[in-house]
Amino acid sequence: DAGVTQSPTHLIKTRGQQVTLRCSPKSGHDTVSWYQQALGQGPQFIFQYYEEEERQRGNFPDRFSGHQFPNYSSELNVNALLLGDSALYLCASSVGGNYGYTFGSGTRLTVV
Amino acid sequence: KQEVTQIPAALSVPEGENLVLNCSFTDSAIYNLQWFRQDPGKGLTSLLLIQSSQREQTSGRLNASLDKSSGRSTLYIAASQPGDSATYLCCLTGGGNKLTFGTGTQLKVEL
Repeated sequence: DAGVTQSPTHLIKTRGQQVTLRCSPKSGHDTVSWYQQALGQGPQFIFQYYEEEERQRGNFPDRFSGHQFPNYSSELNVNALLLGDSALYLCASSVGGNYGYTFGSGTRLTVV
Repeated sequence: KQEVTQIPAALSVPEGENLVLNCSFTDSAIYNLQWFRQDPGKGLTSLLLIQSSQREQTSGRLNASLDKSSGRSTLYIAASQPGDSATYLCCLTGGGNKLTFGTGTQLKVEL
């Protein structure tokens, strides 16, 4: 049973560029959430998608946007990258959110 | 706004010792509490999930308890091993299924 799959695993981008991160949820899961984890910090909630719509959003600027596809997979897009966007980006999936979350291994984004 | 605090921030113990990690939260209106383990530079591995109606969960050498009225959870690790070395994160699911994480306890188990 495949867990949550994220791609790519590592990424280096230049300040001002745009980036797209991808996530495939665990089989049977319909809800996808994205988190940003800076070094030494706990993960911070970016947003959550359910039924192809953004259901909840954390305190992140509009440069952060996302999408969920009919097969429940999801993308996180970040525009106009800043040095401070360098972090580990984690995707988590769940069934409605009440039965615990499964996390992927993350995408390490470095902005130079 | 939910705030989650984990104490201690770091812990170093000799192999074989039993230990307790603490998590406290400010809003008791939660759906569940989940403990995760994170190895350096890696994703999160779920250890235990406690639903809001439950008091504790056990898996192998791990036991987690939840006391909503006092806003506390503990993770008990028995007979610690060097392989247990990692950062342990406490996470609450609240309204809107939003997760709130603590900043973690960095555990090192020494030979």
